[in-house]
Amino acid sequence: SQELEQSPQSLIVQEGKNLTINCTSSKTLYGLYWYKQKYGEGLIFLMMLQKGGEEKSHEKITAKLDEKKQQSSLHITASQPSHAGIYLCGADIPPISSGSARQLTFGSGTQLTVLP
Amino acid sequence: ETGVTQSPTHLIKTRGQQVTLRCSSQSGHNTVSWYQQALGQGPQFIFQYYREEENGRGNFPPRFSGLQFPNYSSELNVNALELDDSALYLCASSRVAGGFYEQYFGPGTRLTVT
Repeated sequence: SQELEQSPQSLIVQEGKNLTINCTSSKTLYGLYWYKQKYGEGLIFLMMLQKGGEEKSHEKITAKLDEKKQQSSLHITASQPSHAGIYLCGADIPPISSGSARQLTFGSGTQLTVLP
Repeated sequence: ETGVTQSPTHLIKTRGQQVTLRCSSQSGHNTVSWYQQALGQGPQFIFQYYREEENGRGNFPPRFSGLQFPNYSSELNVNALELDDSALYLCASSRVAGGFYEQYFGPGTRLTVT
């Protein structure tokens, strides 16, 4: 089965600093999703990467998928308190056969704290 | 905000009881998945429903069951509750569009089993 490892498990940064969160897969990724979660709440979709070498940005958040499609990084530039939360990466597991389930396998998350 | 809603927000049950959680899908999404998220962990896939049929299940016992209705809304039922069932239960509605698997999550239901 596919496993995702996120690092670091937690991160405390001063407001304005840049930071990077990594997600490493035990297998080649079919698709990689990044979500943000406030404690005890639902997951907010950030970005999805599919192609090796792909990079996407939204506001101050940039996500990359490496050429071998086994590692992704999420980079936040000039962090703000609003960036605080839990960041989760999820791997898209394609269905075994047509009509069967397509599911996401998640890492255990990175808890980000941004100090004002 | 996504168009996925869940009810109730919080629930407290006693061990051995049964519980039903509800989810309304985002418009245009015909597939619903349920995930269990224990404290400090990532969500774990429970099962998925498509066209009112279960089409995939994770490593969860049969006392976890579900339904999907013609309007694509869904229920998760858990029988014979155990203390370890205490978790955040997340519903996600999804569809495949242009090769991209869109999956959007609801706010979750926090279940506490005492």
